[in-house]
Amino acid sequence: DTGVSQNPRHKITKRGQNVTFRCDPISEHNRLYWYRQTLGQGPEFLTYFQNEAQLEKSRLLSDRFSAERPKGSFSTLEIQRTEQGDSAMYLCASNSQGGMNEQFFGPGTRLTVL
Amino acid sequence: QRVTQPEKLLSVFKGAPVELKCNYSYSGSPELFWYVQYSRQRLQLLLRHISRESIKGFTADLNKGETSFHLKKPFAQEEDSAMYYCALSGYAGNNRKLIWGLGTSLAVNP
Repeated sequence: DTGVSQNPRHKITKRGQNVTFRCDPISEHNRLYWYRQTLGQGPEFLTYFQNEAQLEKSRLLSDRFSAERPKGSFSTLEIQRTEQGDSAMYLCASNSQGGMNEQFFGPGTRLTVL
Repeated sequence: QRVTQPEKLLSVFKGAPVELKCNYSYSGSPELFWYVQYSRQRLQLLLRHISRESIKGFTADLNKGETSFHLKKPFAQEEDSAMYYCALSGYAGNNRKLIWGLGTSLAVNP
C-alpha cells in the first residue's frame, strides 16, 4: 500500500497518560498535515509541516500537543497528560508543494481517553 | 475564509436526484474540492473543480458569481450514502491550506 499510513489505528488510554501517534506520508510528498475529527464534524486543522519544518500550528492546539517530523519523512503527534476531551480521530494527510493542492488522507488513529 | 454546507443531513430515495450544497467566501481565486467518507473508510477525494470531471456520476460546477460549488448527481444510488465534505484550498496568511465545511451526511434509501 503506497498511501498514507497511520499507527496505531486505535488507542485507548487513561486520563493523564501520554500518547504518541505516527504518520507515514506518501513517500514523494513533502507536506504533511495533522487534523482532529470528532463525530459528525469535519476535519479540524492542527498543524502542518513542509519537509522537517513545522510551518503552522492551530491556535486550538494546546501546549500538551506537540508534533515532529525530524527527517522530513514520517511524523509523530504526541499528546501529554491526556484529557477526556482529547478523544477523537486524529487524521494525517500529505501532498506535495507545487503539486495538486488536494490532500491524501490516512485511515486515522482513534483515541479514546477513559 | 469560510466554507458553508447548510445541510447536515440529506435523505433521498434511490433513483432521485441529489444536490449537496456548498458555498464559500474567499478573497482570491479558490480551488475547491469535494471529499467523501464512506462508513469506516478514510477520507478520499471525490472531485476537484479544476478537473471538471464526473466521478461516480457526480459533478460539481464552480459558480463564482454565487460563490457556490454544489455537488450533483441525477440518480442517487444506495452506495452513495456517505459523509460529504466541501473544502477550499486557499491561502491563510502565508500558507496554503484546506478550509473545510462541516459536512453533509447523505442517506440514500431503497
